[in-house]
Amino acid sequence: AQSVTQLGSHVSVSEGALVLLRCNYSSSVPPYLFWYVQYPNQGLQLLLKYTTGATLVKGINGFEAEFKKSETSFHLTKPSAHMSDAAEYFCAVSLRGSTLGRLYFGRGTQLTVWP
Amino acid sequence: NAGVTQTPKFQVLKTGQSMTLQCAQDMNHNSMYWYRQDPGMGLRLIYYSASEGTTDKGEVPNGYNVSRLNKREFSLRLESAAPSQTSVYFCASNRGVITYNEQFFGPGTRLTVL
Repeated sequence: AQSVTQLGSHVSVSEGALVLLRCNYSSSVPPYLFWYVQYPNQGLQLLLKYTTGATLVKGINGFEAEFKKSETSFHLTKPSAHMSDAAEYFCAVSLRGSTLGRLYFGRGTQLTVWP
Repeated sequence: NAGVTQTPKFQVLKTGQSMTLQCAQDMNHNSMYWYRQDPGMGLRLIYYSASEGTTDKGEVPNGYNVSRLNKREFSLRLESAAPSQTSVYFCASNRGVITYNEQFFGPGTRLTVL
């Protein structure tokens, strides 16, 4: 089974500070990689994804993530946090070549942004 | 284009009662999924349906059954609800083709079992 580890269940930053949310996966073959965001009392929305090609991926709301094969990581960053970024963030992977489309999720990181 | 819809949004059950959570998608997707979300646990897959007419167990299928009624609809049934099934349930869908596997999520059903 795939394993997705998100370091830090809670991250707090000040408005304007750098946001860094960590994600590592365990897979001998690099999977497809996703970051989803969940705002309070809502469903999950896709922030960004890595499938192939350029390893630095840009998403919505100023977020980006870099796929590092040697580190089996896909950390999410944003240069300057905004109050509206407060939400829970989930890293997820799926297997290349799969027709089942199963996603394996990390446990999530709750981001708090202080004024 | 409504995407993925779920009903009901909220539900309170007593232990032993049964209920069905409904999910529908209008994106002509092949694959559909049911997850539960519990604090600190992320999302865990209950059941999935790779295509119309097929269903498979996920990580936490005990106490649940599913029906893939047609390509659009995928329901989740609790036959005899237990307090451990108090959770937020999400339905999702994707195209299911061998390219990338982005899933689209519904708004969730918040279930409390007393």
